Amino acid sequence: AQSVTQLGSHVSVSEGALVLLRCNYSSSVPPYLFWYVQYPNQGLQLLLKYTSAATLVKGINGFEAEFKKSETSFHLTKPSAHMSDAAEYFCAVSSGGSNYKLTFGKGTLLTVNP
Amino acid sequence: DAGITQSPRHKVTETGTPVTLRCHQTENHRYMYWYRQDPGHGLRLIHYSYGVKDTDKGEVSDGYSVSRSKTEDFLLTLESATSSQTSVYFCAISERETGYAYEQYFGPGTRLTVT
Repeated sequence: AQSVTQLGSHVSVSEGALVLLRCNYSSSVPPYLFWYVQYPNQGLQLLLKYTSAATLVKGINGFEAEFKKSETSFHLTKPSAHMSDAAEYFCAVSSGGSNYKLTFGKGTLLTVNP
Repeated sequence: DAGITQSPRHKVTETGTPVTLRCHQTENHRYMYWYRQDPGHGLRLIHYSYGVKDTDKGEVSDGYSVSRSKTEDFLLTLESATSSQTSVYFCAISERETGYAYEQYFGPGTRLTVT
């Protein structure tokens, strides 16, 4: 079985500050990991993915995430928040193989204050 | 953007009526999924399809059925809608290739209200 825990349902930062959104996963096999972003009234958009090629993954809009096996974590960061980053962010895990389903966390709403 | 459309985009219906939501893709992807999104629950998988006429249940499949008669279309039916099925429904697609990680691409969503 696989699962995802996103710590903090709501994170608030100031414009220009570091963004850190936390994701911990549980998987019985080496996982594939994803971060998605959802802007209001839109579908989910893939930000980045971890596929075991490199532990530090760079995505769109200046976001990156680091896979830490020892901590079973895949936290999302951005050095400097922009107003346009305000959205809901979802972490997801897949165990690959014949299991082609994703399991999503409950989401973290990011607010960026001017 | 992946070529995924959902129809209708908004629907209000009464309790006990049947409702069908449609997902259409132009990417020729093999896998298609239906999720529902509710506050505090993230996305939960309702049903998925791994090919034409090949479907299986997700974690919240009770009260829902699906059909896939063509690669490009995946239909979600609520046989008798209930207020607990008020939600935003998302369709997603993916394609398995060697070395790929099953990332999914999402449609714009359908907001369903059951009164």
